[in-house]
Amino acid sequence: NAGVTQTPKFRILKIGQSMTLQCTQDMNHNYMYWYRQDPGMGLKLIYYSVGAGITDKGEVPNGYNVSRSTTEDFPLRLELAAPSQTSVYFCASTIPGQGNSPLHFGNGTRLTVT
Amino acid sequence: GESVGLHLPTLSVQEGDNSIINCAYSNSASDYFIWYKQESGKGPQFIIDIRSNMDKRQGQRVTVLLNKTVKHLSLQIAATQPGDSAVYFCAEASVYQLIWGAGTKLIIKP
Repeated sequence: NAGVTQTPKFRILKIGQSMTLQCTQDMNHNYMYWYRQDPGMGLKLIYYSVGAGITDKGEVPNGYNVSRSTTEDFPLRLELAAPSQTSVYFCASTIPGQGNSPLHFGNGTRLTVT
Repeated sequence: GESVGLHLPTLSVQEGDNSIINCAYSNSASDYFIWYKQESGKGPQFIIDIRSNMDKRQGQRVTVLLNKTVKHLSLQIAATQPGDSAVYFCAEASVYQLIWGAGTKLIIKP
């Protein structure tokens, strides 16, 4: 299993541009999450999904959108990039039916908005 | 509100010594806690977890202690090695999400 795979690894955007951060997992995990991590800080939840077709907002959803059309994929969309969205983005997943089980993380996407 | 915090942002330990990383939480109703290790340029990696019906759990070279009376948990790493250098996060489970502390950076001195 590849686990949780995120692409791209790095990206630089200009203010107002849009992009999609890709996340896919091959572990048949129902629960998937998007976090952002600012320098020297912990992780903040952006959006999460408990299964295909179901998404919900986390702590910091403004400026982002998600979709979950399949169990494997959970893309994160930035429509109008702002400097405040400069961060490292992590996607994570966990085993079916147990939202409190340990998360499996991807290696992150480092995004800079200038 | 809920919060999870760490006592020390940086911890320097001599190679071979034991490391103790501390974490405080505020939600007494939380029943599940997890320690993660994050190496530079990587995502967090699960180390060990503990549920509130336990006060101690041991893994390979790691032990987590939970003190519900003072809402405190700690991660003990035995015989610290250079590969243990990382940022360590405690996280408190709340419904579908985790509440993360800011992290403690563990530095290993040769």
